[in-house]
Amino acid sequence: QLQLQESGPGLVKPSETLSLTCTVSGGSISSSPYYWGWIRQPPGKGLEWIGISRYSGSTYYNPPLQSRVSISLDTSKNQFALRLTSVTAADTAVYYCARKRACSSSSCYGFDYWGQGTLVTVSS
Amino acid sequence: QSALTQPASVSGSPGQSITISCTGTSSDVGGYNYVSWYQQHPGKAPKLMIYDVSNRPSGVSNRFSGSKSGNTASLTISGLQSEDEADYYCSSYTSSDTWLFGGGTKLTVL
Repeated sequence: QLQLQESGPGLVKPSETLSLTCTVSGGSISSSPYYWGWIRQPPGKGLEWIGISRYSGSTYYNPPLQSRVSISLDTSKNQFALRLTSVTAADTAVYYCARKRACSSSSCYGFDYWGQGTLVTVSS
Repeated sequence: QSALTQPASVSGSPGQSITISCTGTSSDVGGYNYVSWYQQHPGKAPKLMIYDVSNRPSGVSNRFSGSKSGNTASLTISGLQSEDEADYYCSSYTSSDTWLFGGGTKLTVL
């Protein structure tokens, strides 16, 4: 059974960089047809897609965040990471890591495995 | 990119059916058959309920069904049960090679 687990600081100061790691067990992040991504949810609000990345190197980011975000994969540790620079209070949210199968000619699937989420608060 | 539009709340009695709508544009919902739906209970991670408009992942009850017409997708839950009370989010692939979520709908089972 695939499991994902987020980890990282729960408190980040404004203007600093938010860094989170997602550790994957029960499967390999280098598996061909899968993307590994991040979604966040501000307290009491809806979901926001941050971005996805694949072992092959394909990476896609949410345009409003593109200048500040990066997702990287570490196959030696079977982990992938999120880095968000110049954070503000608006970046306070529960951050989820998740897996999505790559689209085929007829199907685009959905995010089928999720971590439990980790709350990151941006405050001085 | 603006979030897809969902009603803030819907409600129904046990055994009834409800439908949640998700409205986008021709650049997302209307342009592709790649709409998915997620169920989220309080304090929990979202769970994939429907993908590619109307497909159910293994293990999801057949009481959940999806459809699409034009720029609007819909999730229907039949035979409402108390455990269906949760927040529901739609999501769509977009012409920018990105994914967009809806604002979410709170389902109350009366």
